[in-house]
Amino acid sequence: GAVVSQHPSRVICKSGTSVKIECRSLDFQATTMFWYRQFPKQSLMLMATSNEGSKATYEQGVEKDKFLINHASLTLSTLTVTSAHPEDSSFYICSYLATNEKLFFGSGTQLSVL
Amino acid sequence: AQSVTQPDIHITVSEGASLELRCNYSYGATPYLFWYVQSPGQGLQLLLKYFSGDTLVQGIKGFEAEFKRSQSSFNLRKPSVHWSDAAEYFCAVGLSAGGTSYGKLTFGQGTILTVHP
Repeated sequence: GAVVSQHPSRVICKSGTSVKIECRSLDFQATTMFWYRQFPKQSLMLMATSNEGSKATYEQGVEKDKFLINHASLTLSTLTVTSAHPEDSSFYICSYLATNEKLFFGSGTQLSVL
Repeated sequence: AQSVTQPDIHITVSEGASLELRCNYSYGATPYLFWYVQSPGQGLQLLLKYFSGDTLVQGIKGFEAEFKRSQSSFNLRKPSVHWSDAAEYFCAVGLSAGGTSYGKLTFGQGTILTVHP
C-alpha cells in the first residue's frame, strides 16, 4: 500500500484563491522532504526542500511567498499555493526521504486554476 | 546543471513484446541514475538505480537498465511486457548517493507506455 498519502488528488479553484496540498507519511518518519511540480509536457522539477522544524529551501525561480511550505512534524507537510493564478496550474508531487535513504513519493495533486 | 531527456513521449507495444525506453542524461560528475514508474493514482515507485559497479542493473518487475557512459544513456528494458506494465516511466539523475541531496532529482519528461493485448 501507499506509504505517502497526498491529497487532494485533484483540485480546481478560482484565480486569486489559495489552495493547500497535504502530504503525510503513513508508516515512517522523515526529517527531509521535497516538493516537485510538473507542467504539461515538461519534466518534474524540484521546487523546494524542507527539513522538519526549519524553513524550506527553494530552488531558483520558485517564489517562497507564493508557495508556502509547512513541515511542522516528521509525518506531515503542506504546500499552500497562495493567490493562485492560471499559470500555477500544474501537477504537484511530494517526496519524503526516509532514514534508510529511500525516497517515497505521494501520488500527486493536479491543480487547475480557472 | 544536469539534465535528462526521454526522447519518446508515448510508446505502444503488444503484450509479450520486448520493451526499451530511452534515457539520455547530461551531468558533469558521476551520475546517480534512477528509473521510476507511476501508475494512475499511485506515487512514483522506484524500479532500479545505478550508483556504481556493474553497468547492467536489475530492478523489480523484471526490468533492467544498462548504464553506458560513452553514450550518456541509461535505457530501461524488459524482455516481455505485461499488460500491468502500462504506466508512465520517468528517468532521473541525482546529485548524490546519500544524504539530503539524495532526494534532489532531475527528471526526464516521462514516457507513457501503452500495452495492447
